[in-house]
Amino acid sequence: NAGVTQTPKFQVLKTGQSMTLQCAQDMNHEYMSWYRQDPGMGLRLIHYSVGAGITDQGEVPNGYNVSRSTTEDFPLRLLSAAPSQTSVYFCASSYSGASQETQYFGPGTRLLVL
Amino acid sequence: GESVGLHLPTLSVQEGDNSIINCAYSNSASDYFIWYKQESGKGPQFIIDIRSNMDKRQGQRVTVLLNKTVKHLSLQIAATQPGDSAVYFCAEMTTDSWGKFQFGAGTQVVVTP
Repeated sequence: NAGVTQTPKFQVLKTGQSMTLQCAQDMNHEYMSWYRQDPGMGLRLIHYSVGAGITDQGEVPNGYNVSRSTTEDFPLRLLSAAPSQTSVYFCASSYSGASQETQYFGPGTRLLVL
Repeated sequence: GESVGLHLPTLSVQEGDNSIINCAYSNSASDYFIWYKQESGKGPQFIIDIRSNMDKRQGQRVTVLLNKTVKHLSLQIAATQPGDSAVYFCAEMTTDSWGKFQFGAGTQVVVTP
C-alpha cells in the first residue's frame, strides 16, 4: 500500500491564481480530511468527507473547495489564492471501525502564495 | 503543553530520562484522543490513542493518561531517545462527529545527550 499520497510537494502561486492539491489513499478509508498547518501552530481542519459524495466544512473552510467523487481521491481547490493561504497542507484518511480509529497523514504540500 | 502565540512550548529532556508531555483539551464531549509525533518536514505520525472509557493505556515505551475531570491528557515516554526529538500533538474528537479532529498547538521535545 502507498498509504496517503499528496501532490505536488511544493508549489508557488501568485495572488489570484487557482490550483488543486491532490490527495489519494489506497486503504479504502471512508474518512478523508484536509488540514493546514501554520508555523508554531497545530493543524486546523479545512474540509472533511465521511464517504464518497459527502463533504463538510471544518474550522477554516473559506477560500477552499473540495469534492469526493471516489473513495480514493479527495482534491482541495484554491479558487483564488491569497498570501494568507501560504501554509503546509496535510491530507489524512481513516477508518471508522471500532478497532481502527487511527488517522493516517500524507507527507504534506508546502504552498507559498506571493 | 499550551501554546503561547507562535512559539511552541519546549520540553528539554536528557537522553535516557522519562518525558511527560501535557495537553489540555477543550471539549468535555470529546471521547476519543490521539497523540501524534511530527518530525521536521514530515506529516504527523500516530503514536497512541485512548477512548474516554479508559484512564490509562500503554504502548511500547509510551503511556497515555486521561483525566476527564480536568480535561487533561498526558503522554509519557520512557527512556527518551534522540529519535524522540519532534513536535508532539494531542488531538480530540467526538465519535458521533467522526473525522472532525481538533488538534492542540503542540509541544517541541528536544532530547539532549
